[in-house]
Amino acid sequence: SYELTQPPSVSVSPGQTARITCSGDALPKQYAYWYQQKPGQAPMLVIYKDTERPSRIPARFSGSASGTTVTLTISGVQADDEADYYCQSADSGGDCEVFGGGTKLTVL
Amino acid sequence: DVHLVESGGDLVQPGGSLTISCGASGFIFTDYWMHWVRQAPGKGLVWVARINSDGSSTSYADSVRGRYTVSRDNAKNILFLYMDSLRVEDTAVYYCQFSTSSGDDYWGQGTLVTVAS
Repeated sequence: SYELTQPPSVSVSPGQTARITCSGDALPKQYAYWYQQKPGQAPMLVIYKDTERPSRIPARFSGSASGTTVTLTISGVQADDEADYYCQSADSGGDCEVFGGGTKLTVL
Repeated sequence: DVHLVESGGDLVQPGGSLTISCGASGFIFTDYWMHWVRQAPGKGLVWVARINSDGSSTSYADSVRGRYTVSRDNAKNILFLYMDSLRVEDTAVYYCQFSTSSGDDYWGQGTLVTVAS
């Protein structure tokens, strides 16, 4: 079955830039989506279609794609950005969707 | 306002079955594909199933294919997930979810399904 691979954890100091990667063989063919989830809350979409940012999401969140890897970048990290982040995409045929294992972002 | 309200979560014995529901309001239900996503306690998100807008096409995660069935009642704006041959590892909070083409996404509050003897 198709898998997306994320690092389990990323740590940054406030004001620095956090980069969270997601790798999958079908990413050149399928869009990726990024979700933020804070404890006790439902997930929230922060990036869609690889690079698009919903209007309600701060501009410090951005997405990029290169080959089989997509990256969520958070510039000028704030304490409030501490959360779990998940990438989501589909297999090459688009039949089956999958989430990555999640990355815990810690703001030091 | 968009509202998604899941219901029907319960304690079920291994091998048992259960149907959970998601009531939708505040948007044109028939315009959107709908998804079920689950999250075991302390674990990550797992995509479970999706159904297209008119209910004619469905897809499932490998872990539930053949045991789960997603359906919808577009007249009543309700999404269903029928779960059969339940396993301990199916224990999770189940969310219904959809997204728009402009990046708006909506989730319910989730309903807890516990599979235990």
